[in-house]
Amino acid sequence: TQLLEQSPQFLSIQEGENLTVYCNSSSVFSSLQWYRQEPGEGPVLLVTVVTGGEVKKLKRLTFQFGDARKDSSLHITAAQPGDTGLYLCAGGRGSGGSNYKLTFGKGTLLTVNP
Amino acid sequence: DSGVTQTPKHLITATGQRVTLRCSPRSGDLSVYWYQQSLDQGLQFLIQYYNGEERAKGNILERFSAQQFPDLHSELNLSSLELGDSALYFCASSLEGDTFFGPGTRLTVL
Repeated sequence: TQLLEQSPQFLSIQEGENLTVYCNSSSVFSSLQWYRQEPGEGPVLLVTVVTGGEVKKLKRLTFQFGDARKDSSLHITAAQPGDTGLYLCAGGRGSGGSNYKLTFGKGTLLTVNP
Repeated sequence: DSGVTQTPKHLITATGQRVTLRCSPRSGDLSVYWYQQSLDQGLQFLIQYYNGEERAKGNILERFSAQQFPDLHSELNLSSLELGDSALYFCASSLEGDTFFGPGTRLTVL
C-alpha cells in the first residue's frame, strides 16, 4: 500500500508556465517535507511544513500543507529549465529525534523545456 | 552540499559477493537512515539508527545489515548479492526532523 500518492507522475511543460504537483494521503503526518532530486544525485530538501494550513514560499515555489495534515501541494510559478527534476514528498511521523520516520511518495518527474 | 558524505560513489561487483557502504552524517545529527532507490520501487526505507542503536526497520533483507559506530558514522553491509540488489543506496541524517541526504552509492551487481 502506497501511503503517499503523488500526482501527476510525469509532467512536461514549457519554460514560463506555471504548474502544481500534489501529494495526497489518507494518513495524518506530523510534518511534510519536499525534496528535489536530479539523476544520480541525492534528494535535496526544499522545505518542511508542520502546521495544518501552512503556506511557505521559496522564491517561485509555494508549498502548502493541508488543514488536516494529510496532503500537500507544490506550485511553481514561471518554471525554468533549472527546475527540471524529480520532486518527492515525504510524510514525517514522530516528534523528532529518535522516533522520527519519513515515508516517501514515488515522485513527480518534471521536465521544463526551453 | 548536505553535509552527509557517502563512500564509495560507485561500486561494481559480482553476484554472491559482499560489500560495505559507508556514511558520515552531518555534524551533530544523531539519526542515520539508509534508503534504497530503484527505478521501479522509488525510495525505500531500509533501517534507522539513533545514537548507535537500531530504532526502526523497513524493507531490509536479511542479507543486509547495518550498524552505527560511537563516532556516529554508519555502515551498510550487503551480502550474497543478487542482480536485483543493483540500485542507488542513500544515507540520510537528521537531528530533530529535517532530514538531509548524502550523494548516494550506485551499486551495480553483474
